[in-house]
Formats: sequence, structure tokens, C-alpha cells
Amino acid sequence: DAGVTQSPTHLIKTRGQQVTLRCSPKSGHDTVSWYQQALGQGPQFIFQYYEEEERQRGNFPDRFSGHQFPNYSSELNVNALLLGDSALYLCASSSDTLTRTDTQYFGPGTRLTVL
Amino acid sequence: GEDVEQSLFLSVREGDSSVINCTYTDSSSTYLYWYKQEPGAGLQLLTYIFSNMDMKQDQRLTVLLNKKDKHLSLRIADTQTGDSAIYFCAESFHYGGSQGNLIFGKGTKLSVKP
Repeated sequence: DAGVTQSPTHLIKTRGQQVTLRCSPKSGHDTVSWYQQALGQGPQFIFQYYEEEERQRGNFPDRFSGHQFPNYSSELNVNALLLGDSALYLCASSSDTLTRTDTQYFGPGTRLTVL
Repeated sequence: GEDVEQSLFLSVREGDSSVINCTYTDSSSTYLYWYKQEPGAGLQLLTYIFSNMDMKQDQRLTVLLNKKDKHLSLRIADTQTGDSAIYFCAESFHYGGSQGNLIFGKGTKLSVKP
């Protein structure tokens, strides 16, 4: 049973460019959440996708957008990159049934460096 | 508002117990979690506790929840060098039956000395 996978592992971009990060959820999961983790900080919630729609959003600008596909995989897009967007981007998947836990399982992350 | 606070560092000797503490501000949180992050890696779920429980034990891990004081702790018995990592406390909520996002603390870096 594959866990959450993310690609690419590392990425280097320059200011003003655009980037797309990808995530495949754990088998059986239908909800994908994205988090940004700056160096030395805890992860910050960006948004959550369910049924191909953005269901919740954290305090991030519109430059951050996403998409969820019918197979539940997801993309995170960031436009007009800033130096401050350099971070580890984590994808987490979960199941949207009201189960005993609210457990989100995380992928290994994509390390984005903006020069 | 939502906020999770943790002390930043903890150093223990191998074989001792480690206790990592966390405070949160929102009493409506439904689940509280402990995640472990090793250098350069993603987050590994260690354990969780539902907000109507006050203790949970899972092998070497014991979670204590004091809902009145909004205080959560993780005790690791017989700490090993492989336990060296950053430990994150997180809270989550349900919104109208849907799963909520996780609010994380800044993490506690645990160093285990041989």
C-alpha cells in the first residue's frame, strides 16, 4: 500500500517564475491538504481539496492555487514566486468519512528554493 | 484564535524518559496529534488523542491531555538515539462534519545523548 507521494523532491526557481507541485494521496483517501513549512517553523495550512473543489483555505494569497483530479491526486501552483516562498511544501491525505480519527498522512515534501 | 505553543529544545540522556509539552488556545479542537519529523523528511504521525480523553498509551508513548488547562504532553519512555527528531503538536477541528485543517506548533527539537 503506497503512502502519500510527492514530486519533484527538490526544485529551484527564480523570482517571478511559476511552479507546479504534485501529490498522490494514500490509497483509499479522497481529501488532500497542502502545507508550507518554512525553515525552523511548523507547517502552515494552505488549502484543502475534496471532490475536486477547494473546501478550506488558510491565510495565503491568490498566487497559491490548486487543483484536484478525479483520481484524487492534486497539484499546487504558485505564481509570481517570491524569495519568501522558499520552503518545504507538504501534501497530506485523509479520508472524508467521519471516522474515529481525523488523521492526515503526510508525504515526504517538495523542497522549493527561490533564487 | 488558534495557536499552539511548544518549547523549542529538549535534551535527554539515552534510556531516560522525555516529556515534550504543548499548550493550545482553542478549546473547540476535536483531535490533538503528535507528529515526528526527522531531518529532510516529511511528518510521521506518532499518536493522537480525542479531546474527550485524558490519557492514551501506545507502547513507549504516553499522551496526557489536560483540557481545563489546554495542555498536552508526550512522554517517551526509554528514549533512544533514534528518537532524536523534531516533534510537532497539532490540533484539528471538525467543520460541519468535514475534516478541518491542522494547526501546528513550531516543534520541539529532541536531542538524545548516548
